Amino acid sequence: GQNIDQPTEMTATEGAIVQINCTYQTSGFNGLFWYQQHAGEAPTFLSYNVLDGLEEKGRFSSFLSRSKGYSYLLLKELQMKDSASYLCAVTRRFNKFYFGSGTKLNVKP
Amino acid sequence: EADIYQTPRYLVIGTGKKITLECSQTMGHDKMYWYQQDPGMELHLIHYSYGVNSTEKGDLSSESTVSRIRTEHFPLTLESARPSHTSQYLCASSEHRGEQYFGPGTRLTVT
Repeated sequence: GQNIDQPTEMTATEGAIVQINCTYQTSGFNGLFWYQQHAGEAPTFLSYNVLDGLEEKGRFSSFLSRSKGYSYLLLKELQMKDSASYLCAVTRRFNKFYFGSGTKLNVKP
Repeated sequence: EADIYQTPRYLVIGTGKKITLECSQTMGHDKMYWYQQDPGMELHLIHYSYGVNSTEKGDLSSESTVSRIRTEHFPLTLESARPSHTSQYLCASSEHRGEQYFGPGTRLTVT
């Protein structure tokens, strides 16, 4: 199996910036994905990293360091609707996905 | 917007019944997946397929079976439902890069 670790829960204030970390151990790494999942709904794709560095997409950015087995998702200008679980997932040669347990983000006014 | 559909969305059924959860996608994706997820818990892969006539079991032991006779269709069948099968079942498909698109899910309750 794969070891993917994320914090269980985080709380942040509306308008602030929050960073959600993900560490992983896997052989044959071929990409890392971040998904957002609101309670009771299906996950939706946020970002994808295959090379080291930062990928920016509006208010969301994702960073990857393959040598360290580390990624983070950065959310800027937090909004109440950003309250959700954020799932880190690792792929091996575009085959099976391995999901972390997810980080539940609570955004408070 | 991804086009992947699951039916039924909600199902309450008695123990011992046979059920089939439907999943269809219109994107022509070769790879399809079934996940099981309990409320607030992580996604567990139970089956996947790389294409027509190709199916594999995932990491979570499951008493369900799948088939892939057509590219767009990936149904999951439980021959004899039990209360332990109560969960949410999510179907997904992926394109070449690997990004997965999820269906809305089926919430199954076995009484």
